[in-house]
Amino acid sequence: AQTVTQSQPEMSVQEAETVTLSCTYDTSESDYYLFWYKQPPSRQMILVIRQEAYKQQNATENRFSVNFQKAAKSFSLKISDSQLGDAAMYFCAYRSAISNFGNEKLTFGTGTRLTIIP
Amino acid sequence: EAGVAQSPRYKIIEKRQSVAFWCNPISGHATLYWYQQILGQGPKLLIQFQNNGVVDDSQLPKDRFSAERLKGVDSTLKIQPAKLEDSAVYLCASSLGTSGRGYNEQFFGPGTRLTVL
Repeated sequence: AQTVTQSQPEMSVQEAETVTLSCTYDTSESDYYLFWYKQPPSRQMILVIRQEAYKQQNATENRFSVNFQKAAKSFSLKISDSQLGDAAMYFCAYRSAISNFGNEKLTFGTGTRLTIIP
Repeated sequence: EAGVAQSPRYKIIEKRQSVAFWCNPISGHATLYWYQQILGQGPKLLIQFQNNGVVDDSQLPKDRFSAERLKGVDSTLKIQPAKLEDSAVYLCASSLGTSGRGYNEQFFGPGTRLTVL
């Protein structure tokens, strides 16, 4: 079974600064996806960024980028130029790449609460 | 495009009562998921439907939880009788759903916050 670990329950950053959220995972599979989701107080899970394990290039979406270290099973999220709207819970998640109508479930970590200091 | 709809947004019940949650996925999405998110934890899959068939319910407490997806569109999740430990947010998600190697994003609804007293 796959597991996802987020060891930082809370993080804070000054507005406009950069912050990095950590995530490690464990799997015996070689082909999978990793995700970062944002969950604001409204509770709706919003996909921030996705990484495919077979791609060596780190994914980037505007101010969000990841550092994917496959051998170390590490997947961190960097938020540049932090904005007040970035304040939320951030969840790291794992999913197998091969869909067999039964293994597309997302396995989530316990989350990191990010606070933006004005 | 309308998103995943869920109702109610909040529900408070006493233990041993029953409760039902409703989810309407994005139009055309074959796969529907129910996740349970206990406070301080990440969401955990309870059940996954492919059209109107169950493909994964390994983590569903079947003695008290049931779910159905009649006609392969909207779905209901029921708890009967509820326990204190069922207090959580129940998230519904949907995706296009295909087999083989490919990625279909899961879109989440706003969730239902259940409090069991």
